[in-house]
Amino acid sequence: GAVVSQHPSWVICKSGTSVKIECRSLDFQATTMFWYRQFPKQSLMLMATSNEGSKATYEQGVEKDKFLINHASLTLSTLTVTSAHPEDSSFYICSAEGALAGGRGQYFGPGTRLTVT
Amino acid sequence: AQSVTQPDIHITVSEGASLELRCNYSYGATPYLFWYVQSPGQGLQLLLKYFSGDTLVQGIKGFEAEFKRSQSSFNLRKPSVHWSDAAEYFCAVGAITGGGNKLTFGTGTQLKVEL
Repeated sequence: GAVVSQHPSWVICKSGTSVKIECRSLDFQATTMFWYRQFPKQSLMLMATSNEGSKATYEQGVEKDKFLINHASLTLSTLTVTSAHPEDSSFYICSAEGALAGGRGQYFGPGTRLTVT
Repeated sequence: AQSVTQPDIHITVSEGASLELRCNYSYGATPYLFWYVQSPGQGLQLLLKYFSGDTLVQGIKGFEAEFKRSQSSFNLRKPSVHWSDAAEYFCAVGAITGGGNKLTFGTGTQLKVEL
């Protein structure tokens, strides 16, 4: 139980284009989903927290107009990187929290490797 | 604000040897503590978590961790390491917010296992 998927697992896009990453909780309803960014050999940095049906809460320093987050259902959240630039290249990981996860633990997706050329 | 310190960036152990990965936290209230493992290019897998109760927590893959409030520590241990345990290990502390359980991660410890 508590499986979280991400799609795509990797994506290459040209500078200036937008990319959408999906995060799904497969066997539980995720009341809250989180989006993280991880640079090579570094820890995870929380970008934003999203609750189903409400606006995402962004961490300080994260541009909400650049990283659009939508949590339209209890099993799906999306992160759209708008007008991507090479510095946006990173490993993006989502996590989901819900009743199955005990309400106080997060289960993580496998991550999405974004490369902007 | 909460914070997590993992003092060891890299650790190398021989297969079959015991392992202890250190984690110290800073948090104003009773912490929720987690250990995650990440293999290269993969997401994070939850090894174990502590919310309350017994301070010695058993996890998956033979791992355990002990919460010591007096030392603000939550060290991860395994009595006999397997080559497949080589990975990055992250300690995290959770804080309940209005929107969910927000995690703060340590910088990670890279475990190398020598055969």
